[in-house]
Amino acid sequence: NAGVTQTPKFRILKIGQSMTLQCTQDMNHNYMYWYRQDPGMGLKLIYYSVGAGITDKGEVPNGYNVSRSTTEDFPLRLELAAPSQTSVYFCASSYPFQGQASYGYTFGSGTRLTVV
Amino acid sequence: GQQLNQSPQSMFIQEGEDVSMNCTSSSIFNTWLWYKQDPGEGPVLLIALYKAGELTSNGRLTAQFGITRKDSFLNISASIPSDVGIYFCAGGVGGATNKLIFGTGTLLAVQP
Repeated sequence: NAGVTQTPKFRILKIGQSMTLQCTQDMNHNYMYWYRQDPGMGLKLIYYSVGAGITDKGEVPNGYNVSRSTTEDFPLRLELAAPSQTSVYFCASSYPFQGQASYGYTFGSGTRLTVV
Repeated sequence: GQQLNQSPQSMFIQEGEDVSMNCTSSSIFNTWLWYKQDPGEGPVLLIALYKAGELTSNGRLTAQFGITRKDSFLNISASIPSDVGIYFCAGGVGGATNKLIFGTGTLLAVQP
């Protein structure tokens, strides 16, 4: 199994450009998430989805958009890139919740984005 | 938003030493998870804890779910060079979104 696959691995954008970070998973997970990781700041949730056609904002959604047309794919769109969006972006997926427990996430290997 | 305080921020140790790190929160969690991130890769789940007081091992790693449900600890015994990486704790409250709150990470460096 491939797990969670993210493309591209690296990208340099100019200020104001747009791009889509791709994420696909083959584990039939309903839940998918986008995080950004800044040095020394841990992981911040950007957007998440609990199933096809359902998305919601996380902690830091400004400047980003998402869509979820299939269970497998959860692309993240940057419309007008800004230097503050320089970061490493991780996509993750998990099974749906069950009772009070939380399921661990499976992460992709990340996309390192630099905005200049 | 909720925050997890993870300490220490970094550790530089000799091969063979034992390592301890912890995570604390002002909120109660129903699940504590520990992840390791190798350089250039995404975090990988090491241990999941689901009950207050639970002690779980995975090889040389042992983690505990604090009695108050507001903290968790990770110990690594007899460290080896491949233990190098960033270790993250994460807390979960369950619920319909399965959202996790992540700590800021502990950077571990092991000198051979």
